[in-house]
Amino acid sequence: DVKVTQSSRYLVKRTGEKVFLECVQDMDHENMFWYRQDPGLGLRLIYFSYDVKMKEKGDIPEGYSVSREKKERFSLILESASTNQTSMYLCASSSSHAEAFFGQGTRLTVV
Amino acid sequence: DQQVKQNSPSLSVQEGRISILNCDYTNSMFDYFLWYKKYPAEGPTFLISISSIKDKNEDGRFTVFLNKSAKHLSLHIVPSQPGDSAVYFCAASEANFNKFYFGSGTKLNVKP
Repeated sequence: DVKVTQSSRYLVKRTGEKVFLECVQDMDHENMFWYRQDPGLGLRLIYFSYDVKMKEKGDIPEGYSVSREKKERFSLILESASTNQTSMYLCASSSSHAEAFFGQGTRLTVV
Repeated sequence: DQQVKQNSPSLSVQEGRISILNCDYTNSMFDYFLWYKKYPAEGPTFLISISSIKDKNEDGRFTVFLNKSAKHLSLHIVPSQPGDSAVYFCAASEANFNKFYFGSGTKLNVKP
């Protein structure tokens, strides 16, 4: 059974902190994605990666960076957390020519 | 500008009746369309997809219709069940599958 695992279900961080969200997939997928979900806005793509050490900006990359040192792991980094980054963060992976599989999500609250 | 749009934020349907969720897109390069279902505090789960070479795909109670000339797709659920109550997201990708574009979601409520 396919699995995308995000390191935390819930996180509370302070403004200005550096935050790491980790995601691991066990399907040997080439592509990995980070989205955030906000009410009325749907899922918006932050960054994606189609290979190890490769990354591309999505629609809302400002304030975020990513790291993909190994094929199975894709990390999202909030360099200096702000309250407007309070959101549900969703990691996903896919192979070419197939649907994306999502993790369970991380609800991040920045106070 | 959103390339995938779901103009109905919510839909309420009686159990046993048909639910029809709609989605419009603007990018004619989209080659593959998907529907996802999402419960609160969980990640989206893949439901059904359709390639641009088809106009219909069916899987049990779920059918997706694609009208390329109108750049419109719809998801039909029949019969609707209370367990179908969730947020449904429409998504699309180009042939390279490197990016998935999502709509804003439609919250379906199936009343017993």
